[in-house]
Amino acid sequence: EPEVTQTPSHQVTQMGQEVILRCVPISNHLYFYWYRQILGQKVEFLVSFYNNEISEKSEIFDDQFSVERPDGSNFTLKIRSTKLEDSAMYFCASNPTSGGNEQFFGPGTRLTVL
Amino acid sequence: GESVGLHLPTLSVQEGDNSIINCAYSNSASDYFIWYKQESGKGPQFIIDIRSNMDKRQGQRVTVLLNKTVKHLSLQIAATQPGDSAVYFCAENSNTGKLIFGQGTTLQVKP
Repeated sequence: EPEVTQTPSHQVTQMGQEVILRCVPISNHLYFYWYRQILGQKVEFLVSFYNNEISEKSEIFDDQFSVERPDGSNFTLKIRSTKLEDSAMYFCASNPTSGGNEQFFGPGTRLTVL
Repeated sequence: GESVGLHLPTLSVQEGDNSIINCAYSNSASDYFIWYKQESGKGPQFIIDIRSNMDKRQGQRVTVLLNKTVKHLSLQIAATQPGDSAVYFCAENSNTGKLIFGQGTTLQVKP
């Protein structure tokens, strides 16, 4: 069964450093998403991506964040200068169409900013 | 504003009993809802969904009920098993595609 994969599973970084979180969505899916979940809290939307551009982004997704689909398979989230409050689980999700359909989530990357 | 919330943070049930997890949503224009299960250290896993033109949908051991009048959603799990122990989230799928998650209810199943 196809699944969304994410690497690394755990990333530890120093405050102010850049990190890139990687995702491989399900191959025939067209819509891609990043969400984050701070420990013990709900999952929060960050950004959606379709046709090589951002469709929607939340207030959390400020200038420090960027997304890219550098090739036909990877979907990345970059945080330029990490802050302590960026520590969270980051989930990638994809679906074949927008709205009104299940989104398939990856296992997540745990980001720890020291 | 946009919000989807759950009524109870923790639900503890005996193995074999039925579980009911509730959710309230605020956007009356929402037309699609999903229940996700999240086990410790894992990503959300789809359980069941329902569209706003329905008020009930059944899956294997799970049933989702939608009451649009009071903007309420519930997940019923029949014959709860230890493997059902997890955090359960309701999510509202906006017509822009993003999911708006509720706070989550932790289901604890006692043997």
